[in-house]
Amino acid sequence: GQQVMQIPQYQHVQEGEDFTTYCNSSTTLSNIQWYKQRPGGHPVFLIQLVKSGEVKKQKRLTFQFGEAKKNSSLHITATQTTDVGTYFCAGQGGANTGTASKLTFGTGTRLQVTL
Amino acid sequence: DAGITQSPRHKVTETGTPVTLRCHQTENHRYMYWYRQDPGHGLRLIHYSYGVKDTDKGEVSDGYSVSRSKTEDFLLTLESATSSQTSVYFCAISRYDEQFFGPGTRLTVL
Repeated sequence: GQQVMQIPQYQHVQEGEDFTTYCNSSTTLSNIQWYKQRPGGHPVFLIQLVKSGEVKKQKRLTFQFGEAKKNSSLHITATQTTDVGTYFCAGQGGANTGTASKLTFGTGTRLQVTL
Repeated sequence: DAGITQSPRHKVTETGTPVTLRCHQTENHRYMYWYRQDPGHGLRLIHYSYGVKDTDKGEVSDGYSVSRSKTEDFLLTLESATSSQTSVYFCAISRYDEQFFGPGTRLTVL
C-alpha cells in the first residue's frame, strides 16, 4: 500500500533558526497536504499542494511539491516559539488508485524551539 | 473546527471489555474518518465512511468495527479491547479535500 515517510522525526532549534521537514511517498500522489499539531491538540490543516513543482508560501512557511509528485517539503524561516508542534504531511492518491478519498499521513516531525 | 465533537474525551477500561467511541458532526459532511495516533506512527486510518451505512477499512482496521446510521454520527467500536489499542483516537471529516479533526479521545486499556 501507499507509504509516506517523513524526516527528521524530531528537531530542536533555537529561535530564529530555520527548519525543514521532508516527506517522501512510495507512490505518485494527486496532492499533498500539511498539518500542524500543537502539543495536546489535534491536527490542523495548513495547506494543500496539487501541481507538480508547486511552491506556496504562508508568511514564514514555504511548501514545495516535487516535480514527480512523490515528495514535498516544509521550510520555516526564522522559527518562533509559536512554531512548536508536530508537522505532518499527508498524501492523497489518484482517482484510480482506490485511495482518492483517503489520506496517508507521514510519521510527523516534532519541532521544538527554544529561546 | 467544523463542528466536530468526540465522546468520551478520556476513557480507562480493562482488557476484554467492549468500548464505543462516538464522533458527532453538525455540518452534514459525507466523509468521516477514524484515526489512531501513536508515538512514532503518526496518524493511521482505522475505518472511514462515505455515507450512511457506507464504510470501508483503513490500514489498521483489525479489532475495530464502525457504524454510521445517521449522517452526523460515526461510531467506532472495540469489540474486546486489548492493551495494544491504548491510543489517542481522532475523528475527522472531509470538506473538499481538507480534513478537519475532532479534539480526540484518549483511551487506556489496562
